[in-house]
Amino acid sequence: QSALTQPASVSGSPGQSITISCTGTSSDVGGYNYVSWYQQHPGKAPKLMIYEVSNRPSGVPDRFSGSKSGNTASLTISGLQAEDEADYYCSSYTSSSPVVFGGGTKLTVL
Amino acid sequence: EVQLVESGGGLVKPGGSLRLSCAASGFTFSSYSMNWVRQAPGKGLEWVSSISSSSSYIYYADSVKGRFTISRDNAKNSLYLQMNSLRAEDTAVYYCARDPPGSPRYYFDYWGQGTLVTVSS
Repeated sequence: QSALTQPASVSGSPGQSITISCTGTSSDVGGYNYVSWYQQHPGKAPKLMIYEVSNRPSGVPDRFSGSKSGNTASLTISGLQAEDEADYYCSSYTSSSPVVFGGGTKLTVL
Repeated sequence: EVQLVESGGGLVKPGGSLRLSCAASGFTFSSYSMNWVRQAPGKGLEWVSSISSSSSYIYYADSVKGRFTISRDNAKNSLYLQMNSLRAEDTAVYYCARDPPGSPRYYFDYWGQGTLVTVSS
């Protein structure tokens, strides 16, 4: 199963908004509302940030939001903060395997 | 507080075997599906295997099918991954991850800290 496609890196200044895209196919992202997003700081375990496209777990700031259009899902972080600098991974259910991840996006806060 | 603690990683030669364990606490382990997810050094996340709460449903990634076996012991609140015929490309940090309530929902709400498996001669 091929990984979902994410940009290798994105950057933004504190206070700005950034969006990370996650592109799949109709067999994964486009076909189901099972897209989730994870944040991973260096040397740490991934942390769930968004589930089922746009839902935030308890404790995740509302600066983080998710959406989907067609075969592309997006994670938007508004009011960027220094602690948001991390790697971000999307994942989706797929018809050929329970879960597939994106390749990851490194977010740099300038 | 939900806690997942992996153990059993280490250095193993190609073709060798290793058994990973994940000790769960802070929740009713027997009610949740569980997973293994791995991350090769400097690379992205890769789902490896899933097991339902009663072990009735088990799934594997194509990359490990026939070589890895997932299992659980609900009496011991533990998840396992038996890894045989290990290859260099299996080198990774292996994470234990919990499915949320009401599975299957295809995401992971809690993760362990990971255990490193290195396959090298």
